[in-house]
Amino acid sequence: NAGVTQTPKFRILKIGQSMTLQCTQDMNHNYMYWYRQDPGMGLKLIYYSVGAGITDKGEVPNGYNVSRSTTEDFPLRLELAAPSQTSVYFCASSRPTDTQYFGPGTRLTVL
Amino acid sequence: AQTVTQSQPEMSVQEAETVTLSCTYDTSESDYYLFWYKQPPSRQMILVIRQEAYKQQNATENRFSVNFQKAAKSFSLKISDSQLGDAAMYFCAYRSDWVQGAQKLVFGQGTRLTINP
Repeated sequence: NAGVTQTPKFRILKIGQSMTLQCTQDMNHNYMYWYRQDPGMGLKLIYYSVGAGITDKGEVPNGYNVSRSTTEDFPLRLELAAPSQTSVYFCASSRPTDTQYFGPGTRLTVL
Repeated sequence: AQTVTQSQPEMSVQEAETVTLSCTYDTSESDYYLFWYKQPPSRQMILVIRQEAYKQQNATENRFSVNFQKAAKSFSLKISDSQLGDAAMYFCAYRSDWVQGAQKLVFGQGTRLTINP
């Protein structure tokens, strides 16, 4: 049972480039989330999904897009990367009202 | 909107001693969940302990226990018999009990715990 997996672990982007952060969970959780963690701070919610085909914005959605075509996968798309998007990105999943389980994170640097 | 405040950016404790990390929160809801997560240098977010607001009994997990004061909106974490492996960032987090919607976690700023051998 792998839990929540994220790829890549690290990535350096140039300003204006785009990329997709991958997230997969094998626990059959309906709810999935994307958070970002800036240095010395707690996590902030970017987007979330309550099931396949359903997504909604969190606290800091600007500059990001998501899709949820399957229960297992919840990719996060960065368009036109900016230095302000330098952060560590965490994906999480849960059943409704249950504990969220986190992936190992992706460290993204935009130069 | 709910907020979570951790007023201790850093704490240190001698190995085998006891340390308490503080957390306060602000909410108008009566039913909710509170969590402590541990983040070691590996960056992995690890659930330490969870408390349901409707439960009066404080949660306990081995050496970890909480002091949940609902009226004061306080949720502190006590680590007994501190071990070197407890060194990490600790985050307090709040989650609404509302079934619909995001059920997002609202995190505090974190407390960096150092264990001195």
